Amino acid sequence: GEDVEQSLFLSVREGDSSVINCTYTDSSSTYLYWYKQEPGAGLQLLTYIFSNMDMKQDQRLTVLLNKKDKHLSLRIADTQTGDSAIYFCAESWGSGGYNKLIFGAGTRLAVHP
Amino acid sequence: DTAVSQTPKYLVTQMGNDKSIKCEQNLGHDTMYWYKQDSKKFLKIMFSYNNKELIINETVPNRFSPKSPDKAHLNLHINSLELGDSAVYFCASSPEGSGELFFGEGSRLTVL
Repeated sequence: GEDVEQSLFLSVREGDSSVINCTYTDSSSTYLYWYKQEPGAGLQLLTYIFSNMDMKQDQRLTVLLNKKDKHLSLRIADTQTGDSAIYFCAESWGSGGYNKLIFGAGTRLAVHP
Repeated sequence: DTAVSQTPKYLVTQMGNDKSIKCEQNLGHDTMYWYKQDSKKFLKIMFSYNNKELIINETVPNRFSPKSPDKAHLNLHINSLELGDSAVYFCASSPEGSGELFFGEGSRLTVL
């Protein structure tokens, strides 16, 4: 069935790296996504990875994909207080061009001095 | 210019009432969505429309009825509101077939 799992909380010190983990279910997902939600706002696409890639780097963000274990992670280098938010992993379900995104429960990242 | 705008942002109402939330996008996208986010931040898709046509209808009570007068608008009408309908409802849009969704700021519905 459709199920994306994430740990709910992560607390890191400013300047350290953060690693947010996710497991998903649909091995046929073409893309996997990371969205960020700041307080009182909607979700914003942070980054995504194509399923035939193992890694994608985008400035401070590194996405790692292990297709065999259906495991996705997001690493944020040099974490700043502005990175405090909820991070959602999402996979795409469906066919025929009409896909729906299934989101995990979100990981709340708290960055402290 | 707000890309995806929803109104109202906050809605407080009594059980049994009927209410609507409106959504408009100016991105020229073909696909629009309604998602429900509960108090634990869990986000679940409710409906999706592509060019005014319903393409995804999850297991949502019949009291929820979406309407898309044109591809830039997707409204959500809820009849006979219940306590469990209290949530933040997010509208989103995307190019057809894309997983890059653009979300509105959400409409927080509180049912008393």
